[in-house]
Amino acid sequence: NAGVMQNPRHLVRRRGQEARLRCSPMKGHSHVYWYRQLPEEGLKFMVYLQKENIIDESGMPKERFSAEFPKEGPSILRIQQVVRGDSAAYFCASSPEQGSSGEQYFGPGTRLTVT
Amino acid sequence: GESVGLHLPTLSVQEGDNSIINCAYSNSASDYFIWYKQESGKGPQFIIDIRSNMDKRQGQRVTVLLNKTVKHLSLQIAATQPGDSAVYFCAENNYGQNFVFGPGTRLSVLP
Repeated sequence: NAGVMQNPRHLVRRRGQEARLRCSPMKGHSHVYWYRQLPEEGLKFMVYLQKENIIDESGMPKERFSAEFPKEGPSILRIQQVVRGDSAAYFCASSPEQGSSGEQYFGPGTRLTVT
Repeated sequence: GESVGLHLPTLSVQEGDNSIINCAYSNSASDYFIWYKQESGKGPQFIIDIRSNMDKRQGQRVTVLLNKTVKHLSLQIAATQPGDSAVYFCAENNYGQNFVFGPGTRLSVLP
């Protein structure tokens, strides 16, 4: 049973370009969470999705950031017109059900560098 | 000893000693807690969890203690090994709401 997969593992973008980060949850998991982590800091919740639905996006910046989890295929975190402050590690986690009913399993992360 | 660095507090222990990592959580209504271990360049890895109807839970070499009165969680690692060196995060969950992660503690195991 493969774990949570994320790609690319490393992504370099110039300011103003778009970044697309992909996350494939564990088999059988229908809940996906995205987190951002700055160096030497904890994980900050961004968005929680189920298939074709955004459940909670309270942690998403109001502009330039969007997320989707289509019926088929991976979840995508999209950052438009990237700025240097977007440089961070972005982690995806999945769970078979939400929150206190089950733990979240994390992927290896995508490290975004904006030059 | 324990010290507060620029960002992450750091706990240094001798190999073979026991480690105690502490976490103060924010929401008295949180009912589920997890400790994660994160090694450099990797995603967080589940260590142990505990629900709010318990005050202690043991795993292999690890014990989690929950004190709801003072909103405090601790992770005890017995006979600390070099492979235990990592950053440790506690995470709290409030009846199905999303997890809130603590700032993390870096554990450094000295030979």
